[in-house]
Order: sequence, then structure tokens, then C-alpha cells
Amino acid sequence: AIQMTQSPSSLSASVGDRVTISCRASQGITNDLGWYQQKPGKAPKLLIYAASSLQSGVPSRFSGSGSGTDFTLTISSLQPEDFATYYCLQDYNYPYTFGQGTKLEIK
Amino acid sequence: EVQLWESGGGFIQPGGSLRLSCTASGFTFSSYVMNWVRQAPGKGLEWVSLISSGGGTTQYADSVKGRLTISRDNSKNTLYLQMNSLRAEDTAVYYCAKRLATDTPYGMDVWGQGTTVTVSS
Repeated sequence: AIQMTQSPSSLSASVGDRVTISCRASQGITNDLGWYQQKPGKAPKLLIYAASSLQSGVPSRFSGSGSGTDFTLTISSLQPEDFATYYCLQDYNYPYTFGQGTKLEIK
Repeated sequence: EVQLWESGGGFIQPGGSLRLSCTASGFTFSSYVMNWVRQAPGKGLEWVSLISSGGGTTQYADSVKGRLTISRDNSKNTLYLQMNSLRAEDTAVYYCAKRLATDTPYGMDVWGQGTTVTVSS
């Protein structure tokens, strides 16, 4: 199975900060990667698919980049509602695999 | 409104069986690949299984292969997860999730609220 390694596992930041979360695949996955946001007690929410495509209704401060093995989720200017846990997911081949998550906390 | 609603979770002893259901509304259920994803208490997300739109193709995580079976009834707009030989490590919130589009493999855009399965003696 493809292993997805996210970094950092946790991150403290302030409202207005620019934040970057990384995800590395153990083998090439072209651009078959999505980013999900999850708040406590809630279902995950799709932010980015195909590495860089913004899901409908998601604010433009979220962006994704990368291909092959290295991917990045960027939040250009943190808002209070962005404090959550973020996961990458490879949907290149089976079994699909998630990264271990990055918890974004308020500094 | 596009919605998914899981049911069937509960408390079960190790070795027991349970069937989860996920009822869809607001979209053409029969056109979309569907997934199950789970989350153990305090842990990250784990993809569990996928089924093609017609039900003819299924995929599983190695951790559940041979014990969990995904199926669907397109006439009832319902997805199922039959869970047999349950173990303590199957304890989790189980989510069903719809694939984003009918013609690309990317993303899960609609999720249910989750149903909790607890396996314990």
C-alpha cells in the first residue's frame, strides 16, 4: 500500500498567517491527491481534489499544489474557522490511504 | 439537497456481526461510486471500502478484507457494509462518502454524519 506522510503533525498559527501543510507519497501518484478538513465531531469536508482543483464552495484562500510524490496545501490567510485537522488522501490506487493528519491550532 | 445518512451502528461483542446502511437522497445514487471510511476514537481517517456505481466492482483495505463486505441496492438508494468477525480494532465511527464525479476518480464530496460501532466484551 502507498504510504502518505504528512508534516507537520501539529501546527500553531495565528489568524492572518499563511500556513503550509505537506504530504509525501511513498511512490508516485501523479496528481491523484485530495485534501480534507475535519472539525471535532464532524464529517470530513473536501477542500481540494486532483492535487490543485478547488472544490466548489471552498474559499479561495485554500490552494493545493504538487504532483508525483510531493504535495502541499496552503492557506493564504488563516481565518478563525480554519482551525481544524487536515488530511491528505491518495486515490491513485487501492487501497486508498490517508495521511496521519495535521492538527492546526490557534497560537 | 444532497444527503447521506448512515444507520445500523451499535455495541457488539468480538466475533459478532453488524450491518451498516447508508441512505442517499438528492442525487442519482446509481451513477456514483461510493465509499466507506472509518475513524477510530482519537485517531485519523482510514479508508475501508469502495463499490462501483453498478455494484460489480469492490475494493477493500487490507485490514478488513474477508471480514467486511460492501454492497448496494440502487433501487433503494442504499449502500451497505456487512461486518462479520468483528474485532476490537474495528471500533470506530463509520462514514459513507460519495465520489465527487461520475467520470473521474477524484475526491469524496458528500459525507454522512457517521454511525458509531463499538466492539467490546
